[in-house]
Amino acid sequence: GENVEQHPSTLSVQEGDSAVIKCTYSDSASNYFPWYKQELGKGPQLIIDIRSNVGEKKDQRIAVTLNKTAKHFSLHITETQPEDSAVYFCAASRAFGNEKLTFGTGTRLTIIP
Amino acid sequence: GAVVSQHPSRVICKSGTSVKIECRSLDFQATTMFWYRQFPKQSLMLMATSNEGSKATYEQGVEKDKFLINHASLTLSTLTVTSAHPEDSSFYICSASGDSSGYGYTFGSGTRLTVV
Repeated sequence: GENVEQHPSTLSVQEGDSAVIKCTYSDSASNYFPWYKQELGKGPQLIIDIRSNVGEKKDQRIAVTLNKTAKHFSLHITETQPEDSAVYFCAASRAFGNEKLTFGTGTRLTIIP
Repeated sequence: GAVVSQHPSRVICKSGTSVKIECRSLDFQATTMFWYRQFPKQSLMLMATSNEGSKATYEQGVEKDKFLINHASLTLSTLTVTSAHPEDSSFYICSASGDSSGYGYTFGSGTRLTVV
């Protein structure tokens, strides 16, 4: 089955700096890669996603890059703000919607004011 | 946008009793429901996948007789934890996907189950 590894497990950055979180996956058939933000006691919230036919996607301060050959994808957050502090999870699935998502181990991001 | 309502948000039950958690898709038809369990400071672990009108498919190591999943309608799925024990205390989260491209993996807000 799919295995998704995520690094780092914790990350502290100064407010205004950039944060990068990286994931690798094992199943070459995976083609949907979402990123979720989870705040304490809440369900995960989708922040950005990418499909295998695209190498990069950007939404304001958030971007995701995908390298299918190397089987890794990364989350980039620029101009970080205190409200970006949360746990972030990457995930992968073989098909959007009806195939199960396999989650990474999570990254606790702390933005230092 | 797609909304999934999960109830209750918190529940405390006595050891040996059963607890039911509901997950409703409010504005789309959820053809597939996923149920996850998350222990403190850990990732989400898939317990089972259910398609409307079919029996759920459980992940390896998840007891299907203990975690009963019902997905009898396109807007409602339930997870019943039977004969709960303290080790079942966890954060349970549902995720619903619909049959159109705009509705995939919409998560509920989670249920904190504490078994005493």
